[in-house]
Order: sequence, then C-alpha cells, then structure tokens
Amino acid sequence: KAGVTQTPRYLIKTRGQQVTLSCSPISGHRSVSWYQQTPGQGLQFLFEYFSETQRNKGNFPGRFSGRQFSNSRSEMNVSTLELGDSALYLCASSAGLADPYEQYFGPGTRLTVT
Amino acid sequence: AQSVTQLGSHVSVSEGALVLLRCNYSSSVPPYLFWYVQYPNQGLQLLLKYTSAATLVKGINGFEAEFKKSETSFHLTKPSAHMSDAAEYFCAVSYGTASKLTFGTGTRLQVTL
Repeated sequence: KAGVTQTPRYLIKTRGQQVTLSCSPISGHRSVSWYQQTPGQGLQFLFEYFSETQRNKGNFPGRFSGRQFSNSRSEMNVSTLELGDSALYLCASSAGLADPYEQYFGPGTRLTVT
Repeated sequence: AQSVTQLGSHVSVSEGALVLLRCNYSSSVPPYLFWYVQYPNQGLQLLLKYTSAATLVKGINGFEAEFKKSETSFHLTKPSAHMSDAAEYFCAVSYGTASKLTFGTGTRLQVTL
C-alpha cells in the first residue's frame, strides 16, 4: 500500500505571496490532518478534515486554510506569506472510525519564505 | 489543556546501552499517548501507542513504553541502543481519536560507539 504523499517536497516563496500544498492520503483513509513543524514552536496542529468537512482546527490565523476533496486528497493554503511561515508542513492520514488511533505521516513539504 | 513534557532535549547513550526517554502528560481524563520517531528530512513514524488497553506497550524496533497513571508518565525505553536509533523522538497526547495530536518538544537521541 502506498504511503502518504506530499507535493511539492520543497518550496521557496516570497513574503506576501500565497502557497498551496497538497497531500494524498493512504488509499481508504478518510481523515487528513495537517501540522506545522518549526524549530521554535515545534509540532503544532493546524486542522483536520474528514469526509470533506473540517472536523478540528488549531490556533492558527485565518491565512491558513484547507480543504478536502471527495477522493480524500487534501490541500492546504497559506495566503499573504510571512517569514515566520517558513516550516516543515506535515500531513497525516488515518482510517477514521476504523482505526482512529493511528496516524500515518507523509515526508512533509519544506516551505521557505524569503 | 492537554500537554506533554519531554525531559531532556538531547540524550546521548553508548551503543548497547539502555535508552530511556522521558515523557509526562497533564490530564484530568484518560489520554491516548503515542511515541513517534523522526529521522532527518523525513516525516514522523509511529513507534507505539497507548489507548487504554495494556499499560506496557511494545512497539517497533524493540522499543516499549509503560503507562503509569500515578506518575502521569509514559517513558520510552529500549534495552540496547543501536546506531540506527539516532533520531528525534516525540511524545504526543490526544483525547478521543488521534486526529488532533499535541506533541512534546522532542528529544534528540545520539548513539555513540
């Protein structure tokens, strides 16, 4: 079974621009969560989507948004990029009700904002 | 609010020595607890999880952890360290499902010859 894939793996953007990151979950998984990892703040939960609906949300400004498609693929968008948005963005999928306790992480997208 | 504290941002052990990585949680309700490992330039891999079944949990790569409610701890151990264990380890907590994990600050494990 293929794992969680994230594209692109690396991205360089300029302040003020916007960016879209993509995540394809493991086949059959309906839950997709996003996390931001930075040296200063560590790993922080952004949001979770389940069956195209946002089910949980972390403490991030409205510039961070996401969506999930009917095939469970998810995208995350950050508008008006700031230098502090430079981070590793990790996506994780889980089977939802079938096994809600195990999340499988992708390799991440490394975003650098200059 | 739920939280986890990992004592020691860096731990160094000799190859073959015991590995002990500490994690304490704060919670007024039973939590679900997890240990993840992250190798350089990679995502997180689940080592083991506690979901209110057996208090001694065995995971992959020879790691295990014991849930101690009286001490609010979930320390990770491995009897004999291997060079390939060098990585960063994260303890995490959730309530209900694992869809919203709260992570500790991580412990970088160094294994020396």
